[in-house]
This record gives sequence, C-alpha cells and structure tokens, in this order.
Amino acid sequence: GESVGLHLPTLSVQEGDNSIINCAYSNSASDYFIWYKQESGKGPQFIIDIRSNMDKRQGQRVTVLLNKTVKHLSLQIAATQPGDSAVYFCAELRADGLTFGKGTHLIIQP
Amino acid sequence: NAGVTQTPKFRVLKTGQSMTLLCAQDMNHEYMYWYRQDPGMGLRLIHYSVGEGTTAKGEVPDGYNVSRLKKQNFLLGLESAAPSQTSVYFCASSYMGTSPLHFGNGTRLTVT
Repeated sequence: GESVGLHLPTLSVQEGDNSIINCAYSNSASDYFIWYKQESGKGPQFIIDIRSNMDKRQGQRVTVLLNKTVKHLSLQIAATQPGDSAVYFCAELRADGLTFGKGTHLIIQP
Repeated sequence: NAGVTQTPKFRVLKTGQSMTLLCAQDMNHEYMYWYRQDPGMGLRLIHYSVGEGTTAKGEVPDGYNVSRLKKQNFLLGLESAAPSQTSVYFCASSYMGTSPLHFGNGTRLTVT
C-alpha cells in the first residue's frame, strides 16, 4: 500500500555538524509534505512544509528538499545543537489528515 | 493562547472500563483529529472532524467513538477499554484540510 516512511530509525551526529534526515513516499499524487519534531513527552511540533510545486524551501537553520522524480524528501538541519535532539517525522497530507512515517530519532553527540 | 489542550495527561484503566479524553483548541480551527502513537508505529489516525457536528473514521477507528458538539472541542471515547488500547493519544487541529496540524501534548493511557 501507499505509505510515508523514513530511511533510518536513529541518526547520531556531532554537535555543530549538519544533519540530514531522509524520507521516502510512495504516493506520486501527493502534493503537500510536512516535517515535524517531537521532543520527549510532547506532541509533534511543526518545523517546515513544502508543496509539490517546489523543490526546496528554507527556514531558520532548516531546509527541506523534495525530489519528485524519486519520491524522496529530506530535512537538513544546519549546525546541529543539543536542542535539536528529538524524533523527526515526515508526513504526507491527504484528504483524511496526515499520514506519518515512523520517525527518525536524532541523537546529538557532544 | 493555549493552542491545543488535552485532558487528562495520564490515565490508568482496567479492561472493560470506559472513559472520555477531552481536547480543546482556542484557534478557531475547523478541523480536529485524534491520533494514537505506539512504539515503532508512528502516529495513526483514529477519527477526525471537518467541522462542528461532523465526524469521520480514520485508519484505526475500531473501539473508539468521537463527538464534536462544539467547534472548539473534540471528545474521544472508549466504551470498553482493552489492553490493545494502551497508547499515547494526541489531539490535533488545523485551520483547514490543507493546513499544518497543531498538536496537543498527549494523553498517556494504560489499560491493565
């Protein structure tokens, strides 16, 4: 079936390095994607979104890239900080709400 | 501006008991959702509502009922709790169906 998924359950990076979190989706008709950050004990928090008419969108220290040819989405975090430690979910917006991937746990090493 | 507020934060039920989870949003959003989050499963949609007085089934609706009597509130009911319903439940709201969702901080439910 159609799904949204992340490639790796855990990603460990050094503080100060850039982080890249990947996501693959299978519904070629999807036209809106969102990245969420979830810290321990809290609900998912919106980070950045992108529509299918764009390839790239930048926010504060974050960039989302969309490759529609291979149905791939990535979240880049520049100069990773301890506060970036969380689980990151990509999500595909459908008519009945968001469909989430299983998440990638970003671990920051000092 | 509190955003999305869920009550209670924690609850323990025995098999067969019933309870209602409350969700309130103060952003005047039309859409509201209930998700459950289980380890290794991500978030799965239980039920949602596209406006006051409306409800619809999501991916995993069995064993749950919902009501949206007021625009700002979305209630999730468990009529006869089962251990399989042990999970963390998240409520969310959005301005419209193509807008980002705003989540509450969850209710951790344990059914023994």
